[in-house]
Amino acid sequence: KNEVEQSPQNLTAQEGEFITINCSYSVGISALHWLQQHPGGGIVSLFMLSSGKKKHGRLIATINIQEKHSSLHITASHPRDSAVYICAVKSGGSNYKLTFGKGTLLTVNP
Amino acid sequence: GAVVSQHPSWVICKSGTSVKIECRSLDFQATTMFWYRQFPKQSLMLMATSNEGSKATYEQGVEKDKFLINHASLTLSTLTVTSAHPEDSSFYICSARDGTGGVYEQYFGPGTRLTVT
Repeated sequence: KNEVEQSPQNLTAQEGEFITINCSYSVGISALHWLQQHPGGGIVSLFMLSSGKKKHGRLIATINIQEKHSSLHITASHPRDSAVYICAVKSGGSNYKLTFGKGTLLTVNP
Repeated sequence: GAVVSQHPSWVICKSGTSVKIECRSLDFQATTMFWYRQFPKQSLMLMATSNEGSKATYEQGVEKDKFLINHASLTLSTLTVTSAHPEDSSFYICSARDGTGGVYEQYFGPGTRLTVT
């Protein structure tokens, strides 16, 4: 069983819809990343958070440490948001290794 | 935000040859760099962790003699795939940790697509 589980695996939405992608993890962590990977492959780091909530433009990320769960929300989705969204967790201690989820493929249709 | 570059962005090579991929942190000093491999429709898999000036730490199952990593400076790490074979064809991604000021953050490069024919 993967330590990091994302849902859904695939998501198709119409432009303007509110999107939610979920991430659950089974180990204690010190930080959680949300990453975006476009079809060309390059990865962009969207958020790193260890508690609470962060917002950047139309993107919002939340984390509940007690429930070992994080969500990524996209408001007013746009076709350019189409990408794979990846959740990655950093376990505690001085080990900086990340454990990745399998990603959620988001397709936003015009 | 911080930028990590990789070169080349894609490369095609013949079986048996070696390929070097560079990873640079452009506006920060990267005390630690990570090399990942990603096969189609799969998660990123960590191959090795390198700290500037010391030997890389390889993940289980990754051949250190095949995937040579050199982290010669705080802004440059290289991955050399030696005697490449078609099964080494993959997307290789590096990331760099900016540990300045006690703040941990990890930035990813754009990746290098390797095709071995």
